Amino acid sequence: TQLLEQSPQFLSIQEGENLTVYCNSSSVFSSLQWYRQEPGEGPVLLVTVVTGGEVKKLKRLTFQFGDARKDSSLHITAAQTGDTGLYLCAGAGSYIPTFGRGTSLIVHP
Amino acid sequence: KAGVTQTPRYLIKTRGQQVTLSCSPISGHRSVSWYQQTPGQGLQFLFEYFSETQRNKGNFPGRFSGRQFSNSRSEMNVSTLELGDSALYLCASSLDGDRGEKLFFGSGTQLSVL
Repeated sequence: TQLLEQSPQFLSIQEGENLTVYCNSSSVFSSLQWYRQEPGEGPVLLVTVVTGGEVKKLKRLTFQFGDARKDSSLHITAAQTGDTGLYLCAGAGSYIPTFGRGTSLIVHP
Repeated sequence: KAGVTQTPRYLIKTRGQQVTLSCSPISGHRSVSWYQQTPGQGLQFLFEYFSETQRNKGNFPGRFSGRQFSNSRSEMNVSTLELGDSALYLCASSLDGDRGEKLFFGSGTQLSVL
C-alpha cells in the first residue's frame, strides 16, 4: 500500500503570513495532485505535477514536486481568509489514487 | 456544465439498517469512483465503476457495494450499518478514469449511524 504523509496536520495562522505544507511518501508516483476542500463540499483540484523537480504557480500558491517524485510541497504566500480549508495531496502510482489525510488550514483575519 | 450531484446530502440511520446513496456524474464522464472520508482515516477509496462494470475495489467489507447504470449514474449501498460507517461519502467522476486523471467531486452525503 502506498502511503502519503501530510504535515502539519493542522495550521492556524494570521492573514498575511506565509506557510508551507508537505506531502511525503516512500513510494514513487507518476504524478501528484493537490486538492482543496472547503467545509461541506467535496475536494477541488488545484494542480497536477508530473515531472520530478517541477514547480507550478497558481497566483499565491506554489507547488513543487520532488526530484525523485516521492514528495511535494505547497507554499502559500500572504495567506488570505479565503485560503481556509483542508489541503489534500493525492498520488497516482497504481490505478487507485492514494490520498493523504490532509492539512487543515485556518487563516484568521 | 452541471457538476457532480450527490443525493441525499444528509442521512441519519440506525445500526442494522441499510442505505443507498446516489451520484450523477458530469455529462460525458464514464468513470465514477466512491470514497469514504472520516477525520481519523482521511479519504479512503471504496470502488470505481466504468461502463457499468466495477473496475477497481478498495479494502472495504462486502457490506459496501455499488453499481453503475447505462447513463453513468451510480449508486452505492451499505447494508447492516455499523456505528463506524458514519462518514462523509464522496463520489467523483472523470472522463475515462485513467491514472492521474482529474477527479471532479460531488459535495458528498453525510451519513450518521446512531
